[in-house]
Formats: sequence, structure tokens, C-alpha cells
Amino acid sequence: DAGVIQSPRHEVTEMGQEVTLRCKPISGHDYLFWYRQTMMRGLELLIYFNNNVPIDDSGMPEDRFSAKMPNASFSTLKIQPSEPRDSAVYFCASSFRVAGAEKLFFGSGTQLSVL
Amino acid sequence: AQKVTQAQTEISVVEKEDVTLDCVYETRDTTYYLFWYKQPPSGELVFLIRRNSFDEQNEISGRYSWNFQKSTSSFNFTITASQVVDSAVYFCALSEAKDSGTYKYIFGTGTRLKVLA
Repeated sequence: DAGVIQSPRHEVTEMGQEVTLRCKPISGHDYLFWYRQTMMRGLELLIYFNNNVPIDDSGMPEDRFSAKMPNASFSTLKIQPSEPRDSAVYFCASSFRVAGAEKLFFGSGTQLSVL
Repeated sequence: AQKVTQAQTEISVVEKEDVTLDCVYETRDTTYYLFWYKQPPSGELVFLIRRNSFDEQNEISGRYSWNFQKSTSSFNFTITASQVVDSAVYFCALSEAKDSGTYKYIFGTGTRLKVLA
């Protein structure tokens, strides 16, 4: 299995630009999570999906952030307009829940720098 | 509400020393799951262990051991005879099972472990 695939690995953009991060979960997994990692706040849960439906987006910082999962094999996290404080590593993770909470499989992350 | 606290921001030890990483959690649910993940310098998080709330049995895996105590809401992780390759950021996580059948993962802020040769 190819694992969770995120793109791009690195993104450098200027303040005010739109940024789109992409994630392909492991085939067969029914949960998908977006996390943001910063030195100050560690790993923050932004939003998660179950069977392509957003379940909890309470971690999305503000309206500039949006996430979609149009099908079971693809999700996007969009920031529009981007700001320097959005600079962080963004992780996507997926899992398949059977009898309880299962372990998460993480992608390699997208390092976002907003100048 | 869920909360995971890892009070130790950074720990430095000399190789072969034992080290314990602390994790304290808060939850109102009786059914929940606790996890530890390792994030090496390469950046990708790797699963280490899962424990459910009904299983307080401690676990040992090689040089790693985990101590789960519901009475103190703690799930501590000990590395025995640490090695340089253990240098990483370690995250504790909590997940609660919801009536809807969904679950939500919350991570602590992580503990950076540096093992010096």
C-alpha cells in the first residue's frame, strides 16, 4: 500500500494568495483527519471526515480555511487568503475503524510558508 | 471536553539512561482510547501503542513500556536504556467513541526527546 499521500511537500506563497493542500488517504479507510503542527501549539485537529462527510470542523481557525472530501480517495484543505500566521506543517491522516478507535496513518505533511 | 497534557516540552538524556515521558488526559467518557506516536526528524508520525479504557494492564515491548493508571488519568511512556535513534518528538493522544459511531483524535503538544551519545 502506498500510504497516505500528501501534496505538495513544500509550499511557499505570499500573503493573500490562495493555497490548496491535497491528500489521498489509504484505500478502504473511512476516516480522514487534517491536522496542523506548530511549535507553539503542537498538533491541532482542524477537521475530520467519516465516509466523506465532515463530522467536526470546530478546529478550523477561521472562515479562511475550508476542507472538502468529494470522494473516498481525495481531500483538500484550502486557505484563502493566506496569512503569515498560517505557516505550519499540515498533516493528513486516515484510519479504518473496526471495533474501536484505530491507529492513524499519517502522510508526510505539507510544509507551508506564507511570506 | 477532551484534553491531553504533556507537561514536558523537552527532555535531554545521555545514551543508556532510562527516561519517562508523562501524559495526563481528561475525558468525561467511560470508553476511550489512548495512544502514543513517535515523530522522528524525518517528520512523519508513527504509531507506537494503543490502549483502551478498560485495559489497565501495563505493556512492555522491547525497551519500551507503558504505564496506564485510570486513578490518576495518566498514560506514561518509559524508554529503558535509551539510544540516539530514540531522539524524536513523542505525542500522546486520546480518542473518545461517540454515540454516533464516530470518534475524534486529540493530541498533546508533544515531548521532544534528545538522546545524547
